[in-house]
Amino acid sequence: AQSVTQLDSHVSVSEGTPVLLRCNYSSSYSPSLFWYVQHPNKGLQLLLKYTSAATLVKGINGFEAEFKKSETSFHLTKPSAHMSDAAEYFCVVTERGRDDKIIFGKGTRLHILP
Amino acid sequence: DAGVTQSPTHLIKTRGQQVTLRCSPKSGHDTVSWYQQALGQGPQFIFQYYEEEERQRGNFPDRFSGHQFPNYSSELNVNALLLGDSALYLCASSLVLVSYEQFFGPGTRLTVL
Repeated sequence: AQSVTQLDSHVSVSEGTPVLLRCNYSSSYSPSLFWYVQHPNKGLQLLLKYTSAATLVKGINGFEAEFKKSETSFHLTKPSAHMSDAAEYFCVVTERGRDDKIIFGKGTRLHILP
Repeated sequence: DAGVTQSPTHLIKTRGQQVTLRCSPKSGHDTVSWYQQALGQGPQFIFQYYEEEERQRGNFPDRFSGHQFPNYSSELNVNALLLGDSALYLCASSLVLVSYEQFFGPGTRLTVL
């Protein structure tokens, strides 16, 4: 069965500095991996997705993530944080072609310091 | 394109009551999934509907039931409400062949007193 672990419940960075949100996954088959962002009182927005194409995935708002099979990781990065990036971020795993169940991590709250 | 819409936005109920939440999928989508997001937690998968039938289900009791209509819209029903059912309920729509790529609505905030 698949699972996903977000290693930090809270991350604080200063505006203009790099962002790193860590995610490890477990999957018996070929996983698809996603990052979603949730702003307060808003729905979930897809940031980026990995579905077995290029291992370095670029998403919206300058975010990107790298799929590393050997490390079972899919960390989310951004070179320079902006105040508007403050939100909750969820790493998600699913096994395409299997039961397609989608498993969310518990989330990482990103705080941006002025 | 209106995207995924949910109603109502907020709802307050008391223990033991029943509630119905509604979802309209993104135009062109045929599959609807429901999630429960408790405060401070990630969304938990409840169930998914396709062709008006429950396609798969997460670890939720039978008090949680659903329905999908011919126009692909969906309802989530919860009977005998418990305090622990208080949460944000999210609806997501997709195409069945790429059901892992889901578009989420803004959610319905349910408070059980």
